[in-house]
Amino acid sequence: EAGVTQFPSHSVIEKGQTVTLRCDPISGHDNLYWYRRVMGKEIKFLLHFVKESKQDESGMPNNRFLAERTGGTYSTLKVQPAELEDSGVYFCASRGTLGNTIYFGEGSWLTVV
Amino acid sequence: DAKTTQPPSMDCAEGRAANLPCNHSTISGNEYVYWYRQIHSQGPQYIIHGLKNNETNEMASLIITEDRKSSTLILPHATLRDTAVYYCIVRVNTGGFKTIFGAGTRLFVKA
Repeated sequence: EAGVTQFPSHSVIEKGQTVTLRCDPISGHDNLYWYRRVMGKEIKFLLHFVKESKQDESGMPNNRFLAERTGGTYSTLKVQPAELEDSGVYFCASRGTLGNTIYFGEGSWLTVV
Repeated sequence: DAKTTQPPSMDCAEGRAANLPCNHSTISGNEYVYWYRQIHSQGPQYIIHGLKNNETNEMASLIITEDRKSSTLILPHATLRDTAVYYCIVRVNTGGFKTIFGAGTRLFVKA
């Protein structure tokens, strides 16, 4: 069984540009989470989807970040326009409806220059 | 979610048991203790979790005190590949299952 997969693994963009990160959860997992870790900081929760609905988006830093999960399968996280402080690693995670464990992907490293 | 306190770093000799402590004195009755680790730049990896009883799996053992105010993660025979940041997290297994990470303990396993 494939784990949580994220794409791209690394991205370097210029300030002001747009980047879209993609996450494919474990097949059948209705719950999908986004987290991020910026340099020197702890891993922070961004938001939680249940199927295609946003259950909790309390961690989204500002309106430059847009997360979608159309169809309730994969999810995208768009940063537009990117700022220098957005640099870090963005983790996606998923959990089955009846499961208690959240499984993380390997992360998408974003560098804004 | 309850806050946890962990030492910032620890050393362990290869082949010896690594005992990682965690304090969670404000844990609620319905909150579980979870342990994750992050090896270098990889994603957080689930290790083990428990509510009241001690737990053991192929990776580690979890010892929870009777009052549930602290716990210890035990890696019975640490290897160099166990060098990582270990996170102790307490959370309920209802609602959003939101997992809040602290600073963790950086474990160095030395040859």
